[in-house]
Amino acid sequence: GNSVTQMEGPVTLSEEAFLTINCTYTATGYPSLFWYVQYPGEGLQLLLKATKADDKGSNKGFEATYRKETTSFHLEKGSVQVSDSAVYFCALSEGGSEKLVFGKGTKLTVNP
Amino acid sequence: DTEVTQTPKHLVMGMTNKKSLKCEQHMGHRAMYWYKQKAKKPPELMFVYSYEKLSINESVPSRFSPECPNSSLLNLHLHALQPEDSALYLCASSQDRGRAEKLFFGSGTQLSVL
Repeated sequence: GNSVTQMEGPVTLSEEAFLTINCTYTATGYPSLFWYVQYPGEGLQLLLKATKADDKGSNKGFEATYRKETTSFHLEKGSVQVSDSAVYFCALSEGGSEKLVFGKGTKLTVNP
Repeated sequence: DTEVTQTPKHLVMGMTNKKSLKCEQHMGHRAMYWYKQKAKKPPELMFVYSYEKLSINESVPSRFSPECPNSSLLNLHLHALQPEDSALYLCASSQDRGRAEKLFFGSGTQLSVL
């Protein structure tokens, strides 16, 4: 079956540090890949997505590239802010499916 | 309006109570979803409604009863819950089924079962 594996957290960084959160996936077909962010006490917000190999999703300074050869979709940001503190979920869905399969989430804390 | 609104934000109930969670969207979306998220875990799909008809039930116990009275509203009726059902219940919507990349999530209802 399909699955998503994220790096274990929590991750603690200082403001302006570089962020990488690793995500790898297992899928039978050609999935779409997503990063969702969940701020404390809130629901999930779509951060970025990529629907085919070599696509790069980007939003708010975050980027992730769909790497089919390594089945990865790592999240990066060059300079994090305190306001980026949240839980980040990597997820996939098979084409034409509304079912999202999530990774376990990575909690990021950014200190001033 | 690009919001999915869930009420109440917090709910505490006993194991013999009956309560309902409500979800509303006015984006004209025809697919609506319930997800359950236990503490420090990822969300898990419970139900999917498409055009007001139940299309997916992920083997959810019958003490959870979804209802979609119209295209804008989705309810989750709760009865005889167990303490292990305590979780954040998230509603989501999308234009149609099969559009996971365009899911809009609400902020959730934090449910505690005593």
